[in-house]
Amino acid sequence: GENVEQHPSTLSVQEGDSAVIKCTYSDSASNYFPWYKQELGKGPQLIIDIRSNVGEKKDQRIAVTLNKTAKHFSLHITETQPEDSAVYFCAASKPTGNQFYFGTGTSLTVIP
Amino acid sequence: GAGVSQSPSNKVTEKGKDVELRCDPISGHTALYWYRQSLGQGLEFLIYFQGNSAPDKSGLPSDRFSAERTGGSVSTLTIQRTQQEDSAVYLCASSLAGGISGANVLTFGAGSRLTVL
Repeated sequence: GENVEQHPSTLSVQEGDSAVIKCTYSDSASNYFPWYKQELGKGPQLIIDIRSNVGEKKDQRIAVTLNKTAKHFSLHITETQPEDSAVYFCAASKPTGNQFYFGTGTSLTVIP
Repeated sequence: GAGVSQSPSNKVTEKGKDVELRCDPISGHTALYWYRQSLGQGLEFLIYFQGNSAPDKSGLPSDRFSAERTGGSVSTLTIQRTQQEDSAVYLCASSLAGGISGANVLTFGAGSRLTVL
């Protein structure tokens, strides 16, 4: 199977600072890595994803980096704002089968 | 519809009762997933439907849990003889296709919060 570990479980940053969340995966066959943001009382929403044929992807203030050799990928949020406060989940998926393997989540608090 | 719709949003039931949770996926999405999220925990895979193929039930925690998907669209997750440990948020997600392709982005519903007293 696949095992996805996510760190840290909680993260507090001052508004305007950067936040970094890291995930590792165990199965080198995994090739799709989405990140989801879950606000209180809502379902997770996809914010960015990366496939294994690229090493970095950016979308405004968020970016994801992937190191296939080390089997880890990270979410970077720059210039954090209070509305970035939420729980963030990473996930990994393989080209065969249909499962998404989720990390245990990071609760991010942005302090105004 | 515009998004994945789940009902009820909240359900309180007594231990031993049966419950049904409904998911209406995005129109045209052939893949449908059910996940369970216990308080402060990650997402636990329960079951997966893809088109007319046999569902992947490998995540169902016990035979009290079952799910069906009628006509390739709406899905119902049934929990029989509910226990207190079944209390969680049950999330449904759909995607255009299962497996890795250009179209396997998951879209989640808002979830059904189940409380078993």
